[in-house]
Amino acid sequence: QSALTQPASVSGSPGQSITISCTGTSSDVGSYNLVSWYQQHPGKAPKLMIYEGNRRPSGVSNRFSGSISGNTASLTISGLQAEDEADYYCCSYAGSSTFVVFGGGTKLTVL
Amino acid sequence: QVQLVESGGGVVQPGRSLRLSCAASGFTFSSYGMHWVRQAPGKGLEWVAFISYDGSNRYYADSVKGRFTISRDNSKNTLYLQMNSLRAEDTAVFYCAKDDGFEELLAYYFDYWGQGTLVTVSS
Repeated sequence: QSALTQPASVSGSPGQSITISCTGTSSDVGSYNLVSWYQQHPGKAPKLMIYEGNRRPSGVSNRFSGSISGNTASLTISGLQAEDEADYYCCSYAGSSTFVVFGGGTKLTVL
Repeated sequence: QVQLVESGGGVVQPGRSLRLSCAASGFTFSSYGMHWVRQAPGKGLEWVAFISYDGSNRYYADSVKGRFTISRDNSKNTLYLQMNSLRAEDTAVFYCAKDDGFEELLAYYFDYWGQGTLVTVSS
């Protein structure tokens, strides 16, 4: 069982928007603005998409955005494209004893 | 460009040891903390260990504490993971990943990842 809870799957049609939630606790997501999101295509290494809750690395499309409210972080992908179909993982700092925790991952299907 | 290349994976019997390496290039290795993250077949990502830029601080997941040791050689731009007392549940692709924080300023996220090396623990 993962420390952060994500839906197992989400889907959307091209051009639509989807949101993936990531629910933690007051010991991780709710205490630190240190949530990151990763995209992973089959057989590939993960890729950083969002860091510090809502910041995008250089080169990542502005169709990807992040937010945090209370103990829940969210990743929104707008204008869905076929290449967005992948697994998405959230991650949060969880204090010096636990350090870093991941969500269980969400499989995004573009219909 | 940043490159992280893992090596050392393979098939190992339960209870035995294995050492993974991660060769880094394209950035000042000695200025950044580094992580190991693993992914069991068909499963999600699991953070394993972190070492600070100078090796002075190390953190481990409870699942590997006391069995795995993370280390680095800044003169060789190389990160290591010594894995002892391996169990079947350690079977996974192991990724090394760079922390984006400079020296003492940890970022707690992974801006670059290697391609991974597969460790299979089986008799």
